[in-house]
This record gives sequence, C-alpha cells and structure tokens, in this order.
Amino acid sequence: DTAVSQTPKYLVTQMGNDKSIKCEQNLGHDTMYWYKQDSKKFLKIMFSYNNKELIINETVPNRFSPKSPDKAHLNLHINSLELGDSAVYFCASSQAGTVQPQHFGDGTRLSIL
Amino acid sequence: AQKVTQAQTEISVVEKEDVTLDCVYETRDTTYYLFWYKQPPSGELVFLIRRNSFDEQNEISGRYSWNFQKSTSSFNFTITASQVVDSAVYFCAPRPYTGFQKLVFGTGTRLLVSP
Repeated sequence: DTAVSQTPKYLVTQMGNDKSIKCEQNLGHDTMYWYKQDSKKFLKIMFSYNNKELIINETVPNRFSPKSPDKAHLNLHINSLELGDSAVYFCASSQAGTVQPQHFGDGTRLSIL
Repeated sequence: AQKVTQAQTEISVVEKEDVTLDCVYETRDTTYYLFWYKQPPSGELVFLIRRNSFDEQNEISGRYSWNFQKSTSSFNFTITASQVVDSAVYFCAPRPYTGFQKLVFGTGTRLLVSP
C-alpha cells in the first residue's frame, strides 16, 4: 500500500543512453513533482504537473522530458544521459489548494558510467 | 523567490544531548508555510512538521520542538535527549501559501548522534 512509488530504485547506465523513471501515487492527489538531489544532498525541484498539466518547469535541460498520462502517474524520460545527471531523483505528490505536505517516493539513484 | 539558509552543515552530538538545527529563510510572500523534512541514511524523505506564517506559537511533539520567529525569519528545530535514530539530514523548506506548491529546500544539516 505504498503511497508514492518509483521504479526503478537503482539505475546504472552509460553516458549517451536514454532512460526513464516511473512514478505512481495512490493517494488521490492531483499534483505531482520531480526533484533532483545531487551528491551534496542539495534538493531542487525540476517539474510539477497538476491534473496532467505542466505547471512548474525549472531550468532543466531539454534532454529531460516529463510525461503525465493521468494524474496518478508522472514519468521522467532522460535522453543522452551525461555524467552530471548522476543523482537521486525523487517523485512527490500533493493535493493542490490544501495545507497537506508533499509525500515523497523513496527515490531513484541514477548512476552514469 | 525564496531562499533558505541552513548554516550548520554538520552537527555531531552524543546521545541524550539536546541539539538545535537552525533555519533562516527569505521570502517575498506575506503568507507562507514552512516545513521540516528528515532524510535518514536509508534515503527517504520524511515529513516532520508544517507551520503557517500566521502562527508563531512554538510547537512541541515528543522530543521535537520548533521555534518560529517571523521577526527574524527563523524556524529552528530542537531535538531533546537525542537518540542514535535521530541521525539524518534535516531540511527546512518554505512554500507559498497559495499558488503552486513549490518547496524550496535548504542545503540541509547532517546530524550525527553517537552512542
């Protein structure tokens, strides 16, 4: 009965490859997020979707493309992976217009060789 | 734009000591929320507390307490009688009261509690 689940938990791949990370939430929330945590533990928002509509798009390279097929899912596709993409990626969800906190997934550790 | 400063990069204490983690924030919003999250060594992010800018009452929850002072833009977190299980990275994050719920995280404070 995991609230926010991400797959895979670990992803090891080579530079130049394309990869995807999936996220699903069963909390009935209408807003989902992707955050990136670098090696120094700095956490920064990348994207946010509300009811499948992109509402936050921080300064992120075009190689990163989020997709939200429905409000319970938000996937992250990364093209032409670079060494600097190595990080932990967290998915989160919340309900817009409420005071409830964001619920985070357990993270996906992406390592680029 | 919002900005958070957690000046203490790492704190080491011995079990049973009290420890305070500092958080100073900047925001142009007149109303906002402040959050604390914990990230234990296992890596997940755990919500600890939410405080809105209207309410400056201190809050206590078990061994945890929070001191919010709007005049100094600080939202400090104290752990009383620390335990080894408190070892984690702690993040402070403000969020606008309305509009999109973008959390702006501080750089975090790593707390190491040794037996």
